[in-house]
Amino acid sequence: AQSVSQHNHHVILSEAASLELGCNYSYGGTVNLFWYVQYPGQHLQLLLKYFSGDPLVKGIKGFEAEFIKSKFSFNLRKPSVQWSDTAEYFCAVNAYNNNDMRFGAGTRLTVKP
Amino acid sequence: DTGVSQDPRHKITKRGQNVTFRCDPISEHNRLYWYRQTLGQGPEFLTYFQNEAQLEKSRLLSDRFSAERPKGSFSTLEIQRTEQGDSAMYLCASSQVGNTEAFFGQGTRLTVV
Repeated sequence: AQSVSQHNHHVILSEAASLELGCNYSYGGTVNLFWYVQYPGQHLQLLLKYFSGDPLVKGIKGFEAEFIKSKFSFNLRKPSVQWSDTAEYFCAVNAYNNNDMRFGAGTRLTVKP
Repeated sequence: DTGVSQDPRHKITKRGQNVTFRCDPISEHNRLYWYRQTLGQGPEFLTYFQNEAQLEKSRLLSDRFSAERPKGSFSTLEIQRTEQGDSAMYLCASSQVGNTEAFFGQGTRLTVV
């Protein structure tokens, strides 16, 4: 079964700093990849997704992620974070045609104003 | 609000009692998922329905847990003889066939005392 690991549990940045959150998955077959965000007190929302095609995926709010198949990675990036990006970020994967979506443990991002 | 809704938002129960949660998915979505999330962890897959058929169940779903989706619309998750280890956030999500992006509700937070 697939699994997901997120390397950073808590990241603290100042506004305008660049962000990169690591995500690695273990599964040998075709996968769909996702980043979800959970703002304080709110439900999980989709930031971006990769199904196929261009491995560089752009999402909402200036986020992007790059799928590197050889490294089994799907890292999330943003060139300049804002205070409003403070949230918990979850990487998720499901195998193609499998509805068992596996989530990482999450990375809490705190952006200092 | 046309998103996924869950009821109740919070539930406190005594150990040994039964509890039932409800999820109303987005109306045109025929797939419905239940997840459990504990503090510091990402959501863990519990079970999945396509229309009224329960197609997948995680090994996490012990025999004290049962889920139904009788008419292919709303779903219920029942936990019998609750234990303190059942304390968690229970999340519901829905999606459409052919599009594996899942939309999440705000969850039901269960506290077993």
